[in-house]
Amino acid sequence: QKEVEQNSGPLSVPEGAIASLNCTYSDRGSQSFFWYRQYSGKSPELIMFIYSNGDKEDGRFTAQLNKASQYVSLLIRDSQPSDSATYLCAVNGKGGSYIPTFGRGTSLIVHP
Amino acid sequence: DAGITQSPRYKITETGRQVTLMCHQTWSHSYMFWYRQDLGHGLRLIYYSAAADITDKGEVPDGYVVSRSKTENFPLTLESATRSQTSVYFCASRIGVNTEAFFGQGTRLTVV
Repeated sequence: QKEVEQNSGPLSVPEGAIASLNCTYSDRGSQSFFWYRQYSGKSPELIMFIYSNGDKEDGRFTAQLNKASQYVSLLIRDSQPSDSATYLCAVNGKGGSYIPTFGRGTSLIVHP
Repeated sequence: DAGITQSPRYKITETGRQVTLMCHQTWSHSYMFWYRQDLGHGLRLIYYSAAADITDKGEVPDGYVVSRSKTENFPLTLESATRSQTSVYFCASRIGVNTEAFFGQGTRLTVV
């Protein structure tokens, strides 16, 4: 079982809708959590990070963290076709170096 | 140019040959990472380095060698390339233990 789990999708939503992406992790000692977006053929780029339980909002994006349930999610409001990409959840967990471990990613398709 | 750069961007090599992938960052970030990305597996950590002259194995280190004599460079060497090492390789760096990672553009390696 991978340490960071994501539904591979694809998740298909209409333009203007809310896209909800979910991620669970196994290491209770994890300290920080990240969402990256990766367009096809490109490298991952950071969208959001969250350290504390609760919600963190940045524009159309909201990251939600629940450490008790070992669950982190990303909400994208007013989804646009340009949001179509693979979203990677990353968790800095194990050991003193807090190595980033990535989920396999969820493919999001926003159709007009 | 400032940032993190990888070279070459594309490489085709033959089975059994040694090949080195280069990674250079201009931020003086302490941590550097090498990941490979394959369909169905997501990003898997090969090696990482917490500082110059400090390296450690990740999830899939077999067949790879790294060195870090200078903070800014973190080359990855495939000692004797195999077809199973055909992949997209990403180098990343970060400044501290709980900060986000920044990725290079990636190297697409094909072993024939």
